Parts: sequence; structure tokens; C-alpha cells
Amino acid sequence: DTGVSQDPRHKITKRGQNVTFRCDPISEHNRLYWYRQTLGQGPEFLTYFQNEAQLEKSRLLSDRFSAERPKGSFSTLEIQRTEQGDSAMYLCASSATQGINEKLFFGSGTQLSVL
Amino acid sequence: TQLLEQSPQFLSIQEGENLTVYCNSSSVFSSLQWYRQEPGEGPVLLVTVVTGGEVKKLKRLTFQFGDARKDSSLHITAAQPGDTGLYLCAGGTDTGNQFYFGTGTSLTVIP
Repeated sequence: DTGVSQDPRHKITKRGQNVTFRCDPISEHNRLYWYRQTLGQGPEFLTYFQNEAQLEKSRLLSDRFSAERPKGSFSTLEIQRTEQGDSAMYLCASSATQGINEKLFFGSGTQLSVL
Repeated sequence: TQLLEQSPQFLSIQEGENLTVYCNSSSVFSSLQWYRQEPGEGPVLLVTVVTGGEVKKLKRLTFQFGDARKDSSLHITAAQPGDTGLYLCAGGTDTGNQFYFGTGTSLTVIP
């Protein structure tokens, strides 16, 4: 069990560019979440997958954001035409158990800075 | 939108002191989790409480879920520098499709 892995750890980009982040969950975890966190605040829910199906997407997520989990294993989060307000830590989490005893295992995150 | 408000937002105390962090909401949750996060890392789960009034202890940490399942508290006894970090509560819904995180409490324990 190597834990949840996110790549890259840091990304600096210019406004208007597209960026893509990758998340490798713990193997055999069928649930995968993306969250966004700004400094000193709690994580905000972005989207959630069960296997390859994207079951829920935050209303806060603009059309510039898209996430995929094509084979039910790793996931990617793409942000198109980045804006300065997109600067944040993007966290991925996975879990194996649904319901009240669900445990989320988080990766170390991708820190995005949009200049 | 943050459904869970934590207080205080910042807390700086001396080693050996006791402290309590509060997590409040107007919504009812099916479960309440507490996480600790260190700079540059993801949150790490400390505990899950699921029953109104439930109390769980983890060494020097005591967690309580409110009777109405709308609020929770975390009490740390004899704080140590290793307790320093961002403490987050997170509420789980009946649908089980997402967790709503609180606003966070940044704790610094000074040696």
C-alpha cells in the first residue's frame, strides 16, 4: 500500500494556459474524490467518482474544469484557460468503504500557482 | 460554501496547556470526522463519530459528537509541539457521496 499519489506536487503556470493533474489512488479503492483548498481554509468538494463513473460534481465547478477516471483507477483533473483565482492546493482522496464509516485517504496534493 | 464553522480559527498555546476546538453547523450529519493536516500535506483522518452524544478518546485527544448530530468538539489535554497543525472537521451525509469540510483551526503549540 503506497498511499494516494499525486503528480505534480507543484505547478506554476501563466494565466490562460491549460494544466492537468494526475491522481493515483490506493489500489482497489473504488471511490475517488477531488477537493480544492486555499491557504488556511478547509477543502472544498469538486467532484467524486465511483469506479469510472463521475457521480457528483460541485455547482461551484466551472466548465473550465473537467475530471476523468477512464479505467476506474487513476484520475486526471484538467483546468482550461487558467485564471489567478484557480491558484490553490488540489487534493485527491480515495476510499474503499461507502457510508458512515467511510475513511478518506488523501494524497499530498498539487499546489497550483497561476501568474 | 462551508456548511461547518470551526472556532477558533487560530490558536497559539504553550506546551502542556489544554484546548478545545469547536465545529458547528445548522445541518444534521450522519457522521462527523476529524482530520489533522500538516503544511504541504493532505489531511490525515483522526477519528469518526456516528452516534449523537458519542465520545471517543485517542490518547490525549477527546472527540464528542453533539446529541443532535449538528456539532462536535475536539479537546486536547496537555498539548505538545507535535500537535501543531490544521485541524479539520468533516460532515458526512446520508447519501455518502461527499464530505463537507469545516473552515479549519490552525493550532500552534509553543515549546
